[in-house]
Amino acid sequence: KAGVTQTPRYLIKTRGQQVTLSCSPISGHRSVSWYQQTPGQGLQFLFEYFSETQRNKGNFPGRFSGRQFSNSRSEMNVSTLELGDSALYLCASSLTPYNEQFFGPGTRLTVL
Amino acid sequence: GESVGLHLPTLSVQEGDNSIINCAYSNSASDYFIWYKQESGKGPQFIIDIRSNMDKRQGQRVTVLLNKTVKHLSLQIAATQPGDSAVYFCAENTSRGTSGSRLTFGEGTQLTVNP
Repeated sequence: KAGVTQTPRYLIKTRGQQVTLSCSPISGHRSVSWYQQTPGQGLQFLFEYFSETQRNKGNFPGRFSGRQFSNSRSEMNVSTLELGDSALYLCASSLTPYNEQFFGPGTRLTVL
Repeated sequence: GESVGLHLPTLSVQEGDNSIINCAYSNSASDYFIWYKQESGKGPQFIIDIRSNMDKRQGQRVTVLLNKTVKHLSLQIAATQPGDSAVYFCAENTSRGTSGSRLTFGEGTQLTVNP
């Protein structure tokens, strides 16, 4: 069974731009969560989706948004990029919100 | 084997030794705990989990211990191998009923296994 896939793997943007990251969960998994990983803040929860509904949101500004499609694929969007948004963005999928989460390889975003 | 205090960012062990990585969690309502291993350039990899109604769970070469009284979690790796070198994170997942759940991660411990 294929694992969680994330595209693109690497991305370079400039301040003020916006970016969309994509996540395809493991087949059959209906829950998708997003995390931001930085050296200073570690792994921080962004949001969680289940059955196309955002069930939980972390403490990030409104510039960070996401959605989930009927096939459970998810996208997250960051608008008006700031230098501090440079990070590894990780997606994790699980059968339901209460099962173990399996992570993808991440998208490395660099904001210049 | 070598034991880490309540949390140390790095742990260095000799190949074949047992490793113990400790973690303190913050939320007494957390009902599910997970250990992840993250190698350079990769996403976190699930190792083992434990629910709050248990105090010990064993996997292949790994054991997780949960002490709810002091909100402490530990990961024991038996016969540590060079391939075990990675950053290890504990995470707590607070079930929130219909509002979903979220993982809160610890700071991570870099395990280095010396041949």
